[in-house]
Amino acid sequence: GAGVSQSPRYKVAKRGQDVALRCDPISGHVSLFWYQQALGQGPEFLTYFQNEAQLDKSGLPSDRFFAERPEGSVSTLKIQRTQQEDSAVYLCASSLGSAQETQYFGPGTRLLVL
Amino acid sequence: KQEVTQIPAALSVPEGENLVLNCSFTDSAIYNLQWFRQDPGKGLTSLLLIQSSQREQTSGRLNASLDKSSGRSTLYIAASQPGDSATYLCAVPKAAGNKLTFGGGTRVLVKP
Repeated sequence: GAGVSQSPRYKVAKRGQDVALRCDPISGHVSLFWYQQALGQGPEFLTYFQNEAQLDKSGLPSDRFFAERPEGSVSTLKIQRTQQEDSAVYLCASSLGSAQETQYFGPGTRLLVL
Repeated sequence: KQEVTQIPAALSVPEGENLVLNCSFTDSAIYNLQWFRQDPGKGLTSLLLIQSSQREQTSGRLNASLDKSSGRSTLYIAASQPGDSATYLCAVPKAAGNKLTFGGGTRVLVKP
């Protein structure tokens, strides 16, 4: 079966541009997570959805970051007025929903802000 | 605040040697501990998940142990192969939810 997919895989943006990153979770997975991974570091939590409800956005680094999951499946992470420090890999993960469950990760979107 | 540390940051071994990767965490109130593998330019692949009530979990050549009281987990990979070369990450869910806190990873190179 299909895993978690993300698009685009690579994105180059000029500083100040807005970008939108898409995540298609595994069908039927209730929970969806976004993480940010800087070069050479482990992923860091950004935000969490349970179905369409955004239950935790404590990891979003600024109000330029916005995420949505309007129908409880596909999610979009939007970054407004991108800055160079936003350059990172953005990973999406989904799980069935229980705290005991494994999270399944997509391949990530590599964002480079020039 | 939970902090997860992985030492060493990088490891190079000849093929056939056993690998020992360490993970430590500061808050022992965890639901489980997960080990992931990450290949360059790729996402994370789940290797093992140890429930908080378990002491170890095995899958093929991989064995992971968990000592909650001391805040440590160890991933053992037996008889390493060049295909085991990757970055290995451990992660724990925050007690109040299931977002993961990751260590910085151990980058492993297995030389043929």
